[in-house]
Amino acid sequence: NAGVTQTPKFQVLKTGQSMTLQCAQDMNHEYMSWYRQDPGMGLRLIHYSVGAGITDQGEVPNGYNVSRSTTEDFPLRLLSAAPSQTSVYFCASSYSGASYEQYFGPGTRLTVT
Amino acid sequence: TQLLEQSPQFLSIQEGENLTVYCNSSSVFSSLQWYRQEPGEGPVLLVTVVTGGEVKKLKRLTFQFGDARKDSSLHITAAQPGDTGLYLCAGGRGAQKLVFGQGTRLTINP
Repeated sequence: NAGVTQTPKFQVLKTGQSMTLQCAQDMNHEYMSWYRQDPGMGLRLIHYSVGAGITDQGEVPNGYNVSRSTTEDFPLRLLSAAPSQTSVYFCASSYSGASYEQYFGPGTRLTVT
Repeated sequence: TQLLEQSPQFLSIQEGENLTVYCNSSSVFSSLQWYRQEPGEGPVLLVTVVTGGEVKKLKRLTFQFGDARKDSSLHITAAQPGDTGLYLCAGGRGAQKLVFGQGTRLTINP
C-alpha cells in the first residue's frame, strides 16, 4: 500500500492564480481531511469529509474548496491564491472519524508571491 | 486563541536526561492523540488515550490523560538523539474534528 499520497511536493504561485492540491489514499478510509501547518500554530483543519459526496468545513475554510467524488481522492482547490495561504498542506485519512489514527501524507509546501 | 496549549514550545536537553511535555486545555476532549513529526514529513501517531486518568507506555515514553480529559502529558525517560522531533498533541472534538496543539520542538544533544 502507498498510504496517503500528495502532489505536488512543492509549488510556487502568484497572487490570484488557482491550483488544485491532489490527495489520494489506498486504505479504503472513509474519513479524509486537509490541514495547513504554519510555524508556531500546529496543524489547523481546513476541510474534512466523512465519505464520498460528503464534505464539511473545519477551522480555516475560507479561500479553499473541496470535493469528494470517490473514496480514494480528496483534492483541495485554491480559487484565487493569496500570500496568506503560503503554508505546508497536509492531507490525512483515517478509518472512521477524528478519534481514529490519522495517516498523513508527506505534505505540499506552497508559496504564494 | 489556541484551544490546546503545549508547553514548552522548544526544549533542548542532553542525551540521558528526562523530560515532560504538557498539553493543556479548558475544554474536555473525547480522546487525545500524540503525534511525532520529522522534518519534511507528515506527523505519525504515537498513542491515543481515551479514558480520564489513562496511562500508556511506549518503551521510554509515558503518556497520561488527565482525569477530567482536559490535559495530557508526555514523559520521556533517558532521552536519546533519535527522540528529536516535533511532538504534537491533538484532541478529538466530537467524532469529526481534531484540534492540534502548536507543537513542542524537542532536540536531544549527544
